[in-house]
Amino acid sequence: AQSVTQLDSHVSVSEGTPVLLRCNYSSSYSPSLFWYVQHPNKGLQLLLKYTSAATLVKGINGFEAEFKKSETSFHLTKPSAHMSDAAEYFCVVSERGTYKYIFGTGTRLKVLA
Amino acid sequence: KAGVTQTPRYLIKTRGQQVTLSCSPISGHRSVSWYQQTPGQGLQFLFEYFSETQRNKGNFPGRFSGRQFSNSRSEMNVSTLELGDSALYLCASSSGGLQETQYFGPGTRLLVL
Repeated sequence: AQSVTQLDSHVSVSEGTPVLLRCNYSSSYSPSLFWYVQHPNKGLQLLLKYTSAATLVKGINGFEAEFKKSETSFHLTKPSAHMSDAAEYFCVVSERGTYKYIFGTGTRLKVLA
Repeated sequence: KAGVTQTPRYLIKTRGQQVTLSCSPISGHRSVSWYQQTPGQGLQFLFEYFSETQRNKGNFPGRFSGRQFSNSRSEMNVSTLELGDSALYLCASSSGGLQETQYFGPGTRLLVL
């Protein structure tokens, strides 16, 4: 069965410093992986999607993620954090053969002024 | 294109009552999925509909049901509400193919007293 594990429940960074949110996946095949962001009292917004076309995926708002099969990882990064990046981030795998998403437990990002 | 819309945005009900939530997908999308988000359980898949047919179902009791109309709009119903049903209910739409990107609405926040 597919699954994703987000290694940190909370991450704090200073504004202007790099962001790293970690996600490991478990899958016996090449999965479709996503990162979504959820701002307080809002729905989920797609940041980026990996579908095996390229291992480095660029998303919106300066975020990118690298798919590393050897490490079964799909970490999300951003070179310079902005106050508006403070939110909860979810790593998601699309379950093979079905139409449902499996969500990680989320990482709450705090950006300090 | 307009995004996914959900109504109502907020609901307060009492135990034992029933509730119906509505979701209108992005124009042209034929698949609608429902998720429950709670602090304790995170984001969990409820069910998915495509062309008025339920294709997948999560591990929720039969009190949770849904349907989809010919215009792809979907409703979710919860009967005999319990305190534990208090949650943010998110709807997502997609074109309906396997591993397609899902686009989320803002959610309906249900509080059961």
